[in-house]
Amino acid sequence: KQEVTQIPAALSVPEGENLVLNCSFTDSAIYNLQWFRQDPGKGLTSLLLIQSSQREQTSGRLNASLDKSSGRSTLYIAASQPGDSATYLCAVPNQAGTALIFGKGTTLSVSS
Amino acid sequence: GAVVSQHPSWVICKSGTSVKIECRSLDFQATTMFWYRQFPKQSLMLMATSNEGSKATYEQGVEKDKFLINHASLTLSTLTVTSAHPEDSSFYICSATKNRLSQETQYFGPGTRLLVL
Repeated sequence: KQEVTQIPAALSVPEGENLVLNCSFTDSAIYNLQWFRQDPGKGLTSLLLIQSSQREQTSGRLNASLDKSSGRSTLYIAASQPGDSATYLCAVPNQAGTALIFGKGTTLSVSS
Repeated sequence: GAVVSQHPSWVICKSGTSVKIECRSLDFQATTMFWYRQFPKQSLMLMATSNEGSKATYEQGVEKDKFLINHASLTLSTLTVTSAHPEDSSFYICSATKNRLSQETQYFGPGTRLLVL
């Protein structure tokens, strides 16, 4: 059964720092991996989707990498800003490819 | 774009009552909709998958008679929590896909927070 783990559970950094969020998954047979952002009490915003054939995806200050063989993905945030404060979730499709399995998330707090 | 809305965004109810949550795809037809539940500091857990015009498929451990799902049209799915109890208090989020193909992009709604007193 696929399990997704995110480390750390929480992270506090001063504004301007570069940071890395980690995601690991137990079953490497995934089609893709997706990173989401969730603001308190809100729904999800998709940030990046990496297909299994890709090694990384970039969007602005965000860069996500994928290493299927080791079951790991990282989300790199450059020059963090207070507006980046949120919970970041990673998710992979279930075996049937019909729904997503989420990690518990990393709650990021960026102070000004 | 692909926008999914949920209504209500917040609901407080008494124990024993039933609560209906709506999930709508506003600018596309959603053949498949998913219902997730998120407890505080926990990950989103899939509750059920519904395809338009057919019965929902529930995940293991989710009571189908308690969480009634209806997907009667291509733009609307409803989740009814019957005889709600305090342990049902949670954040319910729906998502929708445009096709029934696997690996389709899911578009998420903003969520509904349910508090059962």
